[in-house]
Amino acid sequence: DAGVTQSPTHLIKTRGQHVTLRCSPISGHKSVSWYQQVLGQGPQFIFQYYEKEERGRGNFPDRFSARQFPNYSSELNVNALLLGDSALYLCASSLAGVGNQPQHFGDGTRLSIL
Amino acid sequence: TQLLEQSPQFLSIQEGENLTVYCNSSSVFSSLQWYRQEPGEGPVLLVTVVTGGEVKKLKRLTFQFGDARKDSSLHITAAQPGDTGLYLCAGDPTNKLIFGTGTLLAVQP
Repeated sequence: DAGVTQSPTHLIKTRGQHVTLRCSPISGHKSVSWYQQVLGQGPQFIFQYYEKEERGRGNFPDRFSARQFPNYSSELNVNALLLGDSALYLCASSLAGVGNQPQHFGDGTRLSIL
Repeated sequence: TQLLEQSPQFLSIQEGENLTVYCNSSSVFSSLQWYRQEPGEGPVLLVTVVTGGEVKKLKRLTFQFGDARKDSSLHITAAQPGDTGLYLCAGDPTNKLIFGTGTLLAVQP
């Protein structure tokens, strides 16, 4: 079975632009979470969606938004990009909500802002 | 606010040595997870500890959950170069998975 897939793998943008990152969860998983990871640090929670509804939101500005589709895939959108948005963006899926559920991560999208 | 502090931040050891990584918090967690992340990849779950005082073993890795469920440790025996990576603890205090600050381990052959 395919794992969590993310696209694109790498992306270069300039300040002020917007970006859409995509995630396909493991088949049968209904929960998708998004994380931002700066090099050498732990991932920071951005959003969690379960059954197409937002179930959790981290401490990120309103420039960050996400949604989950009926097939449980998800998109993360970031508007008005800043240099500080440069990071690895990780998507994780799980069967249900977060809690004790193991999170299965994709390999991420490396976003560079020039 | 980072709820989970890991120590040490960096660790460079020789093959065959033992090491312990700590994950501490002032908050109580219903469970803690440990992940390992290799360069260019996403984190991979190693173990979940649920019960205070619980000890779980995964080959040469031993995980312990503190009695008060505020801290956890990871002990690696006879480290191998393949153990190299970023080790992360993570907990779910309020329906969102919070990761620790991470411990970057390098095992030299």
